Amino acid sequence: GAGVSQSPRYKVAKRGQDVALRCDPISGHVSLFWYQQALGQGPEFLTYFQNEAQLDKSGLPSDRFFAERPEGSVSTLKIQRTQQEDSAVYLCASSLEGRNYEQYFGPGTRLTVT
Amino acid sequence: GQQVMQIPQYQHVQEGEDFTTYCNSSTTLSNIQWYKQRPGGHPVFLIQLVKSGEVKKQKRLTFQFGEAKKNSSLHITATQTTDVGTYFCAGRIIQGAQKLVFGQGTRLTINP
Repeated sequence: GAGVSQSPRYKVAKRGQDVALRCDPISGHVSLFWYQQALGQGPEFLTYFQNEAQLDKSGLPSDRFFAERPEGSVSTLKIQRTQQEDSAVYLCASSLEGRNYEQYFGPGTRLTVT
Repeated sequence: GQQVMQIPQYQHVQEGEDFTTYCNSSTTLSNIQWYKQRPGGHPVFLIQLVKSGEVKKQKRLTFQFGEAKKNSSLHITATQTTDVGTYFCAGRIIQGAQKLVFGQGTRLTINP
């Protein structure tokens, strides 16, 4: 079976542009997570979905960040009016339901804002 | 802010030497997971610890969870070049919560 996939793998945006990052989780995984990883740092939690419900968005850094998972499978992370500080790798992870399951990470999208 | 601290930030060893990374939380963790990220790659799950004082082994890797469930360690015996990468601990701060808080990671490099 396929793992978690993300697209695009690389994105260069000019400051002020909007971007949309896509995540395809492992089929059957109920939980989906978005993380932001700056260079040399650990992943930082952004938001969590259980099926289509966004149960925790406490990590979203500003109202420019928005995530959705309308049908409980594919998810999109949207960043409006990108800023240079948004440059990072955005990781998506999925897991089976429940807090005792491992998270499977996708390859990430490297966003560079110029 | 960061609630899970990891030390050291970097570790360089000769192949065959042992390696240990330590993870400390300011609050009690419901469980802790360890991940490995190879250069240019994404985090890959290694193990989860749930019980106070738990010790788990995977070949040359030994994982421990402290009695107070606030600290954890990963020890690698006789490192090999395939062990190169960054090791992250990730803890669940609140019982029942799904959110994982990652440490900053320990980057391991090895001289063959």
